Amino acid sequence: EVQLVESGGGLVQPGASLKLSCVASGFTFSDYWMSWVRQTPGKTMEWIGDIKYDGSYTNYAPSLKNRFTISRDNAKSTLYLQMSNVRSEDTATYYCTRGAYWGQGTLVTVSS
Amino acid sequence: DVVLTQTPVAQPVTLGDQASISCRSSQSLVHSNGNTYLEWYLQKPGQSPQLLIYKVSNRFSGVPDRFIGSGSGSDFTLKISRVEPEDLGVYYCFQATHDPPTFGAGTKLELK
Repeated sequence: EVQLVESGGGLVQPGASLKLSCVASGFTFSDYWMSWVRQTPGKTMEWIGDIKYDGSYTNYAPSLKNRFTISRDNAKSTLYLQMSNVRSEDTATYYCTRGAYWGQGTLVTVSS
Repeated sequence: DVVLTQTPVAQPVTLGDQASISCRSSQSLVHSNGNTYLEWYLQKPGQSPQLLIYKVSNRFSGVPDRFIGSGSGSDFTLKISRVEPEDLGVYYCFQATHDPPTFGAGTKLELK
């Protein structure tokens, strides 16, 4: 069974950095592109970006590419999202996805 | 970015009725390879989104045949025949033809 478990969310101050993780199981992680998607408190869904199965290529939403970085460790079956200089509008639930499969999400709240 | 406009915003239904949700795109979703990457997701209260339909009309594994996706170009529809209690929630269309991928704003299927 495909499982994706995100972690690393929490309360963070504006301007700070935060790194989210997503541990995958139930499939060969290194065979698949992976993505991050976020959902704001108002339920708006936004695609953040994705990463090739070997980590050699990443693609981002233009509005986020200067502050967010996606990486992966295939040996650990783990996907990462490094967020920097966070803003209040980054407050959202962050989901790790493999196409049809989504994690349960991790909530990031940006507030002083 | 491609804008997906979903209507209605909310769809009150009686159990057993048919429901229909529209998703219109600001540009054609036909990819240069001939495929149309239009998907439908359902997000039930307190859960992550779940894939229902991919490439316009293909039901994902385990999705009941009362969910029917149709359309072409920039005009798409999700029909749910004989609505059941577990069908209630927010439906999102999603396009992955153009970069960046984008979501519609959602349609809430709720009881009358």
